[in-house]
Amino acid sequence: DVKVTQSSRYLVKRTGEKVFLECVQDMDHENMFWYRQDPGLGLRLIYFSYDVKMKEKGDIPEGYSVSREKKERFSLILESASTNQTSMYLCASSPPTSGKKTQYFGPGTRLLVL
Amino acid sequence: GESVGLHLPTLSVQEGDNSIINCAYSNSASDYFIWYKQESGKGPQFIIDIRSNMDKRQGQRVTVLLNKTVKHLSLQIAATQPGDSAVYFCAETPWTDKLIFGTGTRLQVFP
Repeated sequence: DVKVTQSSRYLVKRTGEKVFLECVQDMDHENMFWYRQDPGLGLRLIYFSYDVKMKEKGDIPEGYSVSREKKERFSLILESASTNQTSMYLCASSPPTSGKKTQYFGPGTRLLVL
Repeated sequence: GESVGLHLPTLSVQEGDNSIINCAYSNSASDYFIWYKQESGKGPQFIIDIRSNMDKRQGQRVTVLLNKTVKHLSLQIAATQPGDSAVYFCAETPWTDKLIFGTGTRLQVFP
């Protein structure tokens, strides 16, 4: 089974703090994704990566950055957390395009910014 | 922009009945569709998928139907159980690896 893990289930941070969210997948997937999920807005793509050291902006990249130094790990960084970044953050991975495009999700990190 | 939508935000069914969750998609170029289940406090879980060259696919207690003529996707759950209570999302992919998700339908199962 595909396993995607996220470093924290719950986080509480203060405005202005730098926040790191870590995601690890064990299926040797090329593609990795970061989403945020808010009531009424569904899943919105922040950033994604097709390969190590590659990154692409999603629909809402402002206020976020990412890092992919190793194939299995994809990090989301909030350079200076703000209250409007309080949300559920979901990481996902998928095999390369030639295969099925199904994304497999981690359990999520619920972030509260005070 | 392109969007994936759901007709009903909440669906209530009695345990043992069949459930049908609907989804309308807007991009005729989409060639792959997925249904996810998300339980409270958890990440979305893959249920079943279907390619655009098919109109029906069955899994264990679930069936996905695809009608490309009217751009409609449905998920049928047979003999709905309390453990099926969750939010269900459809997703489409008109491009390479990005998915477009609907906002979800909440399925409530009553005894």
